[in-house]
Amino acid sequence: GQNIDQPTEMTATEGAIVQINCTYQTSGFNGLFWYQQHAGEAPTFLSYNVLDGLEEKGRFSSFLSRSKGYSYLLLKELQMKDSASYLCAVRGASGGSYIPTFGRGTSLIVHP
Amino acid sequence: NAGVTQTPKFQVLKTGQSMTLQCAQDMNHEYMSWYRQDPGMGLRLIHYSVGAGITDQGEVPNGYNVSRSTTEDFPLRLLSAAPSQTSVYFCASSYGDPGTDTQYFGPGTRLTVL
Repeated sequence: GQNIDQPTEMTATEGAIVQINCTYQTSGFNGLFWYQQHAGEAPTFLSYNVLDGLEEKGRFSSFLSRSKGYSYLLLKELQMKDSASYLCAVRGASGGSYIPTFGRGTSLIVHP
Repeated sequence: NAGVTQTPKFQVLKTGQSMTLQCAQDMNHEYMSWYRQDPGMGLRLIHYSVGAGITDQGEVPNGYNVSRSTTEDFPLRLLSAAPSQTSVYFCASSYGDPGTDTQYFGPGTRLTVL
């Protein structure tokens, strides 16, 4: 099976930087996703990591360490619109379901 | 290009009733999935399909059926609704293997079972 752990809730100030962590335990590893979900809306894709290191995309960056079973999503220059839930999803070894397993999500609240 | 569409957006059922949640995509995606999302539980996979005519069970399949007769459509059937099936249901699709390819989600169906 797969076990994915994220903090339940985080708060941050507009203009600041926040790091959302995700740790996972899987039998094998085939990629880690981050999705953003605003309240009452569908999740939307943010990033995908399959190799170790940092992937930067504008204000958002995602980091992966496969040996540590660890990823983080870094949000810079926070804006009020970044208030949302951030979902970490991991796909384990090939075989069985093709579909990644989602963590419970981290609710980020950005205040002025 | 409408992406992934779901109907209805809201539904209230009584215990024991059956219904079908509709999902369609116009992106010619092979992979489609159904998730349910409950407070504090994240997204949990119900059923998925890797192409027309092929479906398989996910983490929480009991009480649900699916079929995939065309590439575009992937309906989810509730056989006999129970209060435990009160949830938000999301359909998703991807062109390639969702373990390595982006999934696109529909807007969701909010279901209440009384």
